[in-house]
Formats: sequence, structure tokens, C-alpha cells
Amino acid sequence: SQQGEEDPQALSIQEGENATMNCSYKTSINNLQWYRQNSGRGLVHLILIRSNEREKHSGRLRVTLDTSKKSSSLLITASRAADTASYFCATDAYGSARQLTFGSGTQLTVLP
Amino acid sequence: SQTIHQWPATLVQPVGSPLSLECTVEGTSNPNLYWYRQAAGRGLQLLFYSVGIGQISSEVPQNLSASRPQDRQFILSSKKLLLSDSGFYLCAWSCLAVTYEQYFGPGTRLTVT
Repeated sequence: SQQGEEDPQALSIQEGENATMNCSYKTSINNLQWYRQNSGRGLVHLILIRSNEREKHSGRLRVTLDTSKKSSSLLITASRAADTASYFCATDAYGSARQLTFGSGTQLTVLP
Repeated sequence: SQTIHQWPATLVQPVGSPLSLECTVEGTSNPNLYWYRQAAGRGLQLLFYSVGIGQISSEVPQNLSASRPQDRQFILSSKKLLLSDSGFYLCAWSCLAVTYEQYFGPGTRLTVT
């Protein structure tokens, strides 16, 4: 079963705007990761946030984690056309750190 | 630096034919290795993972099998393909001693006709 579910499924914005994607999960986690996938390509790791962290930044990316609500959000600021891709959250649970469970993804389109 | 290779990039196979997809990792030792399948517009489903040579764990019952004959080689196989085996297959590696991140190969697009 899917551990993470992203919302929205698809998002279309203008270049320069911010994009926010959300992820909800069901069970306790060790950490949560966000990945990006360009069409027809492999996934690329973006950022990892541990269960004891609430917010993390990396360049134009900001990730938040609310373990009480079992949810996370990924914010991309000042978006660019090159940010067009699918974005996935992935969780690994305590005791199974070798395995990641991926959500179904958000397709982000940034219009020039 | 570490790199991961997958081949072939695309494959069209008839129903009932065998399958062999190969994944190799360079620049690291004793990685954890993973095979995922991605249906169109969907997330990734973990099929197999391996923590060492000859050690394979299967996540879902299916028509596929995996083997790890060498430390940095991971093979996905089938004796007889089904239409439902079509999809995008991704190999990934991780080094849990360092990080929980996984690093993905470029993928193989399999179409079973």
C-alpha cells in the first residue's frame, strides 16, 4: 500500500511563483525524503528531513514535517521552467530503514 | 564518484518471452540494491532489495525474480513475461552506513506486447 500520498496530483504555475506540494503518510517514520523525476528518467534525491526535525532548507527548497499530522510539505520558491518535473515523497519506517515507500507524486509544470 | 548503469534503456518483448535487465554500480562497495517498477503516472513500487551477494528480499508476489551474482550487479529476470509486466523499471543503490538516500539509475522502459 502507498505510505505517502502527494497532493495535488498536478500543479501548474507561472515562472517566478512559488510551488507547494504536500505529502501525507500513515505510519510512524524514521525520516522523510523528497525526490524529483524528469519525464522518462530516474529519480534524483532532493532533501531528507528526520522525524525529529520540523523544517529544513536547501537552496530554493524548503521542507516542513509535522509528525503529529503525519504530513510534510515541499516549497519551491521562485520557480523556473527547469523545475518542471514530478515530485515524490518517500518514507522509511523504524525498523525498515532499507526500504522506502513512495507516494504517487505531484506533476509540477512551470510555465515560462 | 559513484555511478549506476542500467540497460537496456528500452525493450519491447512479446508475451511469454524471457526477460533480463541488468544494473551495475561503480565507485562504492557493498551497496544495498533495489529494483522498483513504476506504472505510467504513478509512484514507485519496490519489487526486490538486496543487502549483499546472493541475499534477495521480495516485496510483492509476482512473475519476476532478482539475483545478485556480484557485489555491484543486480539482475531482474522473468521466465515468461505477462502483459502486466509492462512498465518503467528503476534500479537504485544506497549506502546505509552513510545516508538513507537512494541513488537511481536511468531506468528501462519495458513494453510487453
